[in-house]
Amino acid sequence: EDKVVQSPLSLVVHEGDTVTLNCSYEVTNFRSLLWYKQEKKAPTFLFMLTSSGIEKKSGRLSSILDKKELFSILNITATQTGDSAIYLCAGARDNYGQNFVFGPGTRLSVLP
Amino acid sequence: GAGVSQSPSNKVTEKGKDVELRCDPISGHTALYWYRQSLGQGLEFLIYFQGNSAPDKSGLPSDRFSAERTGGSVSTLTIQRTQQEDSAVYLCASSITGTSGSYEQYFGPGTRLTVT
Repeated sequence: EDKVVQSPLSLVVHEGDTVTLNCSYEVTNFRSLLWYKQEKKAPTFLFMLTSSGIEKKSGRLSSILDKKELFSILNITATQTGDSAIYLCAGARDNYGQNFVFGPGTRLSVLP
Repeated sequence: GAGVSQSPSNKVTEKGKDVELRCDPISGHTALYWYRQSLGQGLEFLIYFQGNSAPDKSGLPSDRFSAERTGGSVSTLTIQRTQQEDSAVYLCASSITGTSGSYEQYFGPGTRLTVT
């Protein structure tokens, strides 16, 4: 059965800290891995990673995919209270069925 | 519109009543998904529509749940005889689907359903 596992499930840090969120996956016909940030109700898209070893960056956020180890990390440097959210990882399949398998999310709390 | 819209944003209903939740996907997106997120839990897949193909209903938790997508656009998720365990946020998402699979999903704001 396909699954996506995230760790830690919950993390509390102080402003200015750097955090690394982990995502491992077992997804048949894997095509890409996606990261979302969910603050209230609707998750918002952060990154889509398709190729191994190529880092994607957006401001203080960066992410990389390792297709050999079936693993991805999301890094956030110089964290701010506005980074507090649930970070979701999802594996996308390369077919026309149920295309996305979501992990349980990591709840990040950044304290001032 | 510019994004995925859902209505209502909040719905409180009595146990045993039927509810309908609506989703308006982004124009041109052929794929539409419904998810459920219970308090503190991850996203639970419910149903997936792709163009005119038969929907993937494999995530629907019981036969009280059904969904339609009319004209390849607007979708309605119906829950009959609601139970308290149906209380959750119901999220809709849409995506463009290319020949090599689906692209990233864009989520609506969700409907928070509370069954009393």
